[in-house]
Amino acid sequence: KAGVTQTPRYLIKTRGQQVTLSCSPISGHRSVSWYQQTPGQGLQFLFEYFSETQRNKGNFPGRFSGRQFSNSRSEMNVSTLELGDSALYLCASSSGTVRMNTEAFFGQGTRLTVV
Amino acid sequence: AQSVAQPEDQVNVAEGNPLTVKCTYSVSGNPYLFWYVQYPNRGLQFLLKYITGDNLVKGSYGFEAEFNKSQTSFHLKKPSALVSDSALYFCAVRDYDAGNMLTFGGGTRLMVKP
Repeated sequence: KAGVTQTPRYLIKTRGQQVTLSCSPISGHRSVSWYQQTPGQGLQFLFEYFSETQRNKGNFPGRFSGRQFSNSRSEMNVSTLELGDSALYLCASSSGTVRMNTEAFFGQGTRLTVV
Repeated sequence: AQSVAQPEDQVNVAEGNPLTVKCTYSVSGNPYLFWYVQYPNRGLQFLLKYITGDNLVKGSYGFEAEFNKSQTSFHLKKPSALVSDSALYFCAVRDYDAGNMLTFGGGTRLMVKP
């Protein structure tokens, strides 16, 4: 069974540009969450999608957005990039509906560098 | 709101010795607790979880964790450390009111020396 796939693995962008990251969850998983990991702030929740609907959102500015497609694949977009957006962006998928006993499986992440 | 604390930035242990990585949590309802490990330039890998039942949870690669409700702790343990266990470890809690959102601790770097 394939794991969570994130593309691309590495990105370098210039301040002011926008970027789109992609995540393909484990087959059959309908929940996709996104996290930002930085040395200073650690792992922070961005948002979660379930069945194409945003179910929860973290405390990030509106420049960060996402969506989920009917095949459960998800994308996140960051507009007007800032230097502070440089981070490892992690996608996680979970099975089924909201069941507290299901663990999340993470992709290898996309390393975004803003210059 | 839920929160997780990992009081040690780094834990050093000799190979073959037991290891403990500490985690304390705060949630309003029942805690659902997880441990993940991260190797360099990789994503997070699931180790184990506590949902309900036995306070001692066994997971992957010989790791286990002890849930203590009165101390609101969920410490990760292993009887005999390996050099290959050296990595970054994260404790996380899930809040029912926040969907599938995980709140992570700051992480603890485990260094196992030969």
